Amino acid sequence: GESVGLHLPTLSVQEGDNSIINCAYSNSASDYFIWYKQESGKGPQFIIDIRSNMDKRQGQRVTVLLNKTVKHLSLQIAATQPGDSAVYFCAENAGNMLTFGGGTRLMVKP
Amino acid sequence: NAGVMQNPRHLVRRRGQEARLRCSPMKGHSHVYWYRQLPEEGLKFMVYLQKENIIDESGMPKERFSAEFPKEGPSILRIQQVVRGDSAAYFCASSRGAQSYGYTFGSGTRLTVV
Repeated sequence: GESVGLHLPTLSVQEGDNSIINCAYSNSASDYFIWYKQESGKGPQFIIDIRSNMDKRQGQRVTVLLNKTVKHLSLQIAATQPGDSAVYFCAENAGNMLTFGGGTRLMVKP
Repeated sequence: NAGVMQNPRHLVRRRGQEARLRCSPMKGHSHVYWYRQLPEEGLKFMVYLQKENIIDESGMPKERFSAEFPKEGPSILRIQQVVRGDSAAYFCASSRGAQSYGYTFGSGTRLTVV
């Protein structure tokens, strides 16, 4: 069964605002988590990752937070731009494979 | 420095025909993973292969689906006697090492069964 849980909710934000996308996972043994961005008709594109021995990691305009106590992962996008509009997936490392959540659609209003 | 190459990008098959999807990993990558994505859903793992070996096929349907990664040439995902429920996007990813760190995905093959 699914261990990472999202079912394609939609987040609509104003251009320039910050976005927060959330994800819950259930496999406490997972040691590596990734956020992917997927635009229409394209494959998933790596955004940022985090290992389980960390609780925060920052990239360019993006930050991933990991709360192992409640098995929660979030992606924060600063100063959201129209080009950020896409579906965002979290994924967890489960041995030989990644287990993906169902995704969140981010819509950026100009 | 080409990424993961998948072809064809779009494939239309009639029910009962065979579908063959090809994936060429990134240069230097010897590990290949196939995933399936239904509309509005996340990707579901199907199979993990190294050259000439299937390492994990726990996500593959028991019938009609097979995968190979020969010593020479691309990895092939083969679906025999396709049914409408096989319509989906099929993504391939490759990595240099044995774990799923450092995945790179291709652009996918969109299979439509009519």
